[in-house]
Amino acid sequence: ETGVTQTPRHLVMGMTNKKSLKCEQHLGHNAMYWYKQSAKKPLELMFVYSLEERVENNSVPSRFSPECPNSSHLFLHLHTLQPEDSALYLCASSQEIRREQFFGPGTRLTVL
Amino acid sequence: EDQVTQSPEALRLQEGESSSLNCSYTVSGLRGLFWYRQDPGKGPEFLFTLYSAGEEKEKERLKATLTKKESFLHITAPKPEDSATYLCAVDGGGSQGNLIFGKGTKLSVKP
Repeated sequence: ETGVTQTPRHLVMGMTNKKSLKCEQHLGHNAMYWYKQSAKKPLELMFVYSLEERVENNSVPSRFSPECPNSSHLFLHLHTLQPEDSALYLCASSQEIRREQFFGPGTRLTVL
Repeated sequence: EDQVTQSPEALRLQEGESSSLNCSYTVSGLRGLFWYRQDPGKGPEFLFTLYSAGEEKEKERLKATLTKKESFLHITAPKPEDSATYLCAVDGGGSQGNLIFGKGTKLSVKP
């Protein structure tokens, strides 16, 4: 595997389910990010981790819970989501904060 | 408040017809401007980083330029495979790692 990978690529869940999105970067980077991309809207930054420590939380609802166990892996735990949370969730990594970010393919999430 | 505005929202070109995409920004202190290309159903692909006014970067048919208020992505003699959404993002020196993205320009190149 190379670059940034994300699993699953597609996810359909009910509002009462609990699921997790996984991201792995194979670039040796020190920073990782979660973004939300909705139709007709700019990418929205959700969380930033640098050296496994969270450095940014952009007023994201608590039903989204990130976890960064090491510098190569990032998770986004989901619970009791709303239909408006349906979107493409993108993971990215960079050598360090403020450097160019490299994105994974995204997880297309649908909440029923 | 930091803002990034991209224009036009959509652009249709004939193969070989050169044009430019615009990214206007308002930030307190520019730390970097980034261009990305995004194909449908995929994550954004990094193209260029520009740091200071007057800087230019080139890659194949693409050339990015930067002034104190805006950046242009010039596309010379485009091909159908250049069709994609082009995103501009700015690091305005605010919160760590917080890039401000524009909504993008959707480019279609017809043969």
